[in-house]
Amino acid sequence: DAKTTQPPSMDCAEGRAANLPCNHSTISGNEYVYWYRQIHSQGPQYIIHGLKNNETNEMASLIITEDRKSSTLILPHATLRDTAVYYCIATYGGSQGNLIFGKGTKLSVKP
Amino acid sequence: GAVVSQHPSWVICKSGTSVKIECRSLDFQATTMFWYRQFPKQSLMLMATSNEGSKATYEQGVEKDKFLINHASLTLSTLTVTSAHPEDSSFYICSAKTLANNSFGPGTRLTVT
Repeated sequence: DAKTTQPPSMDCAEGRAANLPCNHSTISGNEYVYWYRQIHSQGPQYIIHGLKNNETNEMASLIITEDRKSSTLILPHATLRDTAVYYCIATYGGSQGNLIFGKGTKLSVKP
Repeated sequence: GAVVSQHPSWVICKSGTSVKIECRSLDFQATTMFWYRQFPKQSLMLMATSNEGSKATYEQGVEKDKFLINHASLTLSTLTVTSAHPEDSSFYICSAKTLANNSFGPGTRLTVT
């Protein structure tokens, strides 16, 4: 699986958009980009994934650059409940292989 | 859908005893489940991959005789921490592979005294 790099922490004001970047410059052509988050003392929660095209669901949007070397997770209207550690993972799938977690980004949403 | 449960949610045991943690897929069948361990302020570390009806595959550095994994049915995998020591105190999380993504359990907090 390709290595990913994320900033260790970010702050966001409640109600504003949170944009979380991820670098995956060594990603291969058939590796997907997955995003999970972990709220304190809970199991990780799936957010979204994509291969080449931008994706949107009820939780977030995923913007992948044309060269696929980086991506951005967008939470359009962050709430206090979005405070969590966000993990960007590049892995083979649809039916994913093992998920190897990096250190992620600690997002703090502030009132 | 794709709900994964773990039992117990927390457990305290004495050093030298064994502890079993259950991971269940509630509304789907999971041929593959994964076990992770997470120490405070650290990321999740994959311990092993559990395949129904076959032996688990352990990651490098994880002792298979200490962390016994059994995946006897399509909805249940168990992790037994044998002869637990204080350094085994951690947050243990399982996940199950679905068609779309991996669903994670809520985790089990193990404290060894």
